[in-house]
Amino acid sequence: DGGITQSPKYLFRKEGQNVTLSCEQNLNHDAMYWYRQDPGQGLRLIYYSQIVNDFQKGDIAEGYSVSREKKESFPLTVTSAQKNPTAFYLCASRGLALGDTQYFGPGTRLTVL
Amino acid sequence: AQSVTQPDIHITVSEGASLELRCNYSYGATPYLFWYVQSPGQGLQLLLKYFSGDTLVQGIKGFEAEFKRSQSSFNLRKPSVHWSDAAEYFCAVGSSGGSYIPTFGRGTSLIVHP
Repeated sequence: DGGITQSPKYLFRKEGQNVTLSCEQNLNHDAMYWYRQDPGQGLRLIYYSQIVNDFQKGDIAEGYSVSREKKESFPLTVTSAQKNPTAFYLCASRGLALGDTQYFGPGTRLTVL
Repeated sequence: AQSVTQPDIHITVSEGASLELRCNYSYGATPYLFWYVQSPGQGLQLLLKYFSGDTLVQGIKGFEAEFKRSQSSFNLRKPSVHWSDAAEYFCAVGSSGGSYIPTFGRGTSLIVHP
């Protein structure tokens, strides 16, 4: 089955710890995205990448970091500098052909205690 | 800058009733428009999209949307709602290429009464 996987589904961390969220896709998509979702806020873009070894900041990149060493993987690290990291995190991918749309993973719920 | 407004935070309908979810956008060129649905604790699923051509777009699960350029709107409709349609619905606007960074609305929560 082709798709996007995010792991784990639920993640708990203590305040001050860095944590890495996994996102893997086997759709052969070039572009990948990370969004943060809070109640009533819709989706806010954290980072995106259109090619391996290259990525750009989104609207709320502070306190987050990413890497894109492989086409199929785009892990997100939530650092201790992120002031309010508890949220639902969504990963998406997309091909670069005209008309291609984003496909979303199932999300990871991060709770910082 | 592009933006999306979904004026209704919550919509409540009875099962079997018709549904219309509103979406207004701001975009400098011809927009690419999308509607997504999200069940609790899940990712987003694409319902339908408008790129060009016929302004009435058919999607999955019996949904349709109409692009009205004069009103900058892309409202989502369904003639008869089922209890399983209860979910969060997001409208988004974006460009066709380049960096392709769609902007999402804040969502409308649909509640379906039996």
